[in-house]
Amino acid sequence: EAEVAQSPRYKITEKSQAVAFWCDPISGHATLYWYRQILGQGPELLVQFQDESVVDDSQLPKDRFSAERLKGVDSTLKIQPAELGDSAMYLCASSLGGARAGELFFGEGSRLTVL
Amino acid sequence: SQQGEEDPQALSIQEGENATMNCSYKTSINNLQWYRQNSGRGLVHLILIRSNEREKHSGRLRVTLDTSKKSSSLLITASRAADTASYFCATDLDYKLSFGAGTTVTVRA
Repeated sequence: EAEVAQSPRYKITEKSQAVAFWCDPISGHATLYWYRQILGQGPELLVQFQDESVVDDSQLPKDRFSAERLKGVDSTLKIQPAELGDSAMYLCASSLGGARAGELFFGEGSRLTVL
Repeated sequence: SQQGEEDPQALSIQEGENATMNCSYKTSINNLQWYRQNSGRGLVHLILIRSNEREKHSGRLRVTLDTSKKSSSLLITASRAADTASYFCATDLDYKLSFGAGTTVTVRA
């Protein structure tokens, strides 16, 4: 069964360091999402791509976060410099796309701890 | 900001009992979805109900949607230990899916 791949699964870093997360969506899925989930809360959308274009990055802290999906397939989310408050689970999801937000398929997430 | 709010925040039931959780939201939606998340894992899609539907079933799951009250409920019948997880409602508006804070369900053996 096709899955959304994410790496690394766990990342521990010190504040002010750079961190990068990678996501490979299900083949053929045009829409890719990055969500941040703080412990005990629901996922919060950081950025949404339709193919290689950003559809929504209104909640992305652009002074330190960047995201790209250069060829419209896999994607990288970067944080530089990391801050203590960035400790969270970073979830990637993909969907077929279209006029409605249909079923999202999530990866297992990348858990970030900033010391 | 999160559009949906689940109630209760936490629920503990005995195996075999039914579990009901509710979701309220603020604005009109295209559809509403429910997801399950086991501890430390990604989310798994359970069911999608469109704004013109009132009830939907999938196995032991029953979802209702009342657009006039801007609310939805998820019922899990005959719960099992494997149902222990967090459950999130997500509302679809303008191509974007927004999640609530979730209900944590614990099923005791």
